[in-house]
Amino acid sequence: DQQVKQNSPSLSVQEGRISILNCDYTNSMFDYFLWYKKYPAEGPTFLISISSIKDKNEDGRFTVFLNKSAKHLSLHIVPSQPGDSAVYFCAAAFGGTYKYIFGTGTRLKVLA
Amino acid sequence: DTGVSQDPRHKITKRGQNVTFRCDPISEHNRLYWYRQTLGQGPEFLTYFQNEAQLEKSRLLSDRFSAERPKGSFSTLEIQRTEQGDSAMYLCASSIALAGSYEQYFGPGTRLTVT
Repeated sequence: DQQVKQNSPSLSVQEGRISILNCDYTNSMFDYFLWYKKYPAEGPTFLISISSIKDKNEDGRFTVFLNKSAKHLSLHIVPSQPGDSAVYFCAAAFGGTYKYIFGTGTRLKVLA
Repeated sequence: DTGVSQDPRHKITKRGQNVTFRCDPISEHNRLYWYRQTLGQGPEFLTYFQNEAQLEKSRLLSDRFSAERPKGSFSTLEIQRTEQGDSAMYLCASSIALAGSYEQYFGPGTRLTVT
């Protein structure tokens, strides 16, 4: 049972344009969501997070949107840069357990 | 502090052998997690510790797997009688126990290949 889904395995975007990565979840009890970026041969690196009581969180070029009624979140990267090319994972957590449920990842390629 | 470190980075073993991995978390972090990642999948939670106490263990973790964190600092993950299905990247992460703090910091992982 995949509680967190990333339905697009890959995405290509031109440098300077917007990248939008999507994530859907099934369990309405999740109360915290995070995005991680992973380069080859490295562990995942924390990018940005959002609590279920908010619908938007912004940090520089990265913005995460949460739509609880649709059980959907998205990560916007504006403007996209070649260094953003990586695999992006969304993760969800239940309050109090602190363990993550990860999606399967989306490979982003930003073309120069 | 240089972040979470894991040793070894790569391990090749024959089926039936035992293997042990080590994780050193960020020094002030009192929570430590183990995840497993296979090709094309996201990391899957295995177990986590708060200080030296193992607070949760995934049902995915068979009896061949055991994890310890004896002094609340580094942790070891042992796999006994390895099987080819154990081939994966084993990731360790740590975090600090603060109310509302969910961010975990990951190490580079140990890639296990069982032949």
